[in-house]
Amino acid sequence: KQEVTQIPAALSVPEGENLVLNCSFTDSAIYNLQWFRQDPGKGLTSLLLIQSSQREQTSGRLNASLDKSSGRSTLYIAASQPGDSATYLCAVNGGGSNYKLTFGKGTLLTVNP
Amino acid sequence: SAVISQKPSRDICQRGTSLTIQCQVDSQVTMMFWYRQQPGQSLTLIATANQGSEATYESGFVIDKFPISRPNLTFSTLTVSNMSPEDSSIYLCSVGIIVSEQFFGPGTRLTVL
Repeated sequence: KQEVTQIPAALSVPEGENLVLNCSFTDSAIYNLQWFRQDPGKGLTSLLLIQSSQREQTSGRLNASLDKSSGRSTLYIAASQPGDSATYLCAVNGGGSNYKLTFGKGTLLTVNP
Repeated sequence: SAVISQKPSRDICQRGTSLTIQCQVDSQVTMMFWYRQQPGQSLTLIATANQGSEATYESGFVIDKFPISRPNLTFSTLTVSNMSPEDSSIYLCSVGIIVSEQFFGPGTRLTVL
């Protein structure tokens, strides 16, 4: 059974700081990995999708890496802003017939002005 | 990407009653998913709803409690039956688009008294 762990559970940083969020998974036989952002009381916004054959993906100030063999992914946020404050979720797709996503519990990020 | 809407956005219900949640997508998609997010927890997949076939339920979820309809490629409903306070959660639908990237609706916040 796939298990996804995210560290830290919460993180508070001053504006402008670069930061890294960590995600680990127990079964390396994944199809892809997706990072999401969730604002309080809202749905999920897809940030980055990394296919199992890829090592990293970039979108603006965000960079996600994937090391499938070691079961790890990181989300790097450059020059953080107060608007980045949200919960960041990592989800692993095991492929197969239904492309099920297994989620971590998330990292609650607070960027202080 | 896809634009996904859900109705209702929130509801407060009495125990023993049922609530049907609607999910509408702005394009035709094969795969639709229903997730539950209990307070303070991450997302858990309830079932996969593909058009033209019966929904596939995850361990711990049964059709009598969470009946799902998928009448066409842009619409699905999830019913939460015979509700108890333990059913208080955010319910989210998602769709799989390009190479299994998933996009989520805004969620339905359900409170059962």
